[in-house]
Amino acid sequence: DTQMTQSPSSLSASVGDRVTITCRASQSVTNYLNWYQQKSGTAPNLLIYSASSLQTGVPSRFSGSGSGTDFTLTISSLQPEDSATYYCQQTYSTPYTFGQGTKLEIK
Amino acid sequence: QVQLVESGGGLVKPGGSLRLSCAASGFSLSDYYMSWIRQAPGKGLEWVSYVSSLSSFTDYADSVKGRFTISRDNADNSLFLQMNSLRAEDTAIYYCARVRGGSGLPVNYFDFWGPGVLVTVSS
Repeated sequence: DTQMTQSPSSLSASVGDRVTITCRASQSVTNYLNWYQQKSGTAPNLLIYSASSLQTGVPSRFSGSGSGTDFTLTISSLQPEDSATYYCQQTYSTPYTFGQGTKLEIK
Repeated sequence: QVQLVESGGGLVKPGGSLRLSCAASGFSLSDYYMSWIRQAPGKGLEWVSYVSSLSSFTDYADSVKGRFTISRDNADNSLFLQMNSLRAEDTAIYYCARVRGGSGLPVNYFDFWGPGVLVTVSS
């Protein structure tokens, strides 16, 4: 199985900050890497697919990059509504594993 | 608009069975692979299973293989998950999700998710 490791596990940042979350795969997943946002008590919401493609309707302050084993999710200017847990996911091979999540808190 | 709504969850004893349903609307189910993902209370996400658009292909996480069966009824726009021999560790919110393919692989990302249904396995 491909293990996905996110860092940090949690972070606190201020409105307007630039925030970066990293995701590392235990083996290459090429660009089959997605990012989801999950707010408390709701289902996950797709932000980024194929490592760097922005899902329709997602604000442009979200961006993704990387390939192979190392990926990043960047929020260019943090907004209050970005408080959530963020998950990366690989879909290169089954089982389609997720990272453990990064909990983002707004100061 | 695309909507997915799960049902069929509840409290079941260890060793028991439950059948989850997912009603799809706003799109033609037969055009898409579909998947189930679960989330134990306070924990992260775990992919459970997927089924191809015409039910030709299925796959499962090792943790549920041989106990869970995914199926679909495209005419009724419904997805199902039959869960047998349930264990305490199957306790989770179960989400159904629509699958989008990639250039080389049939499963690329999950673009729409239902709100989820809670399954509790306890005596």
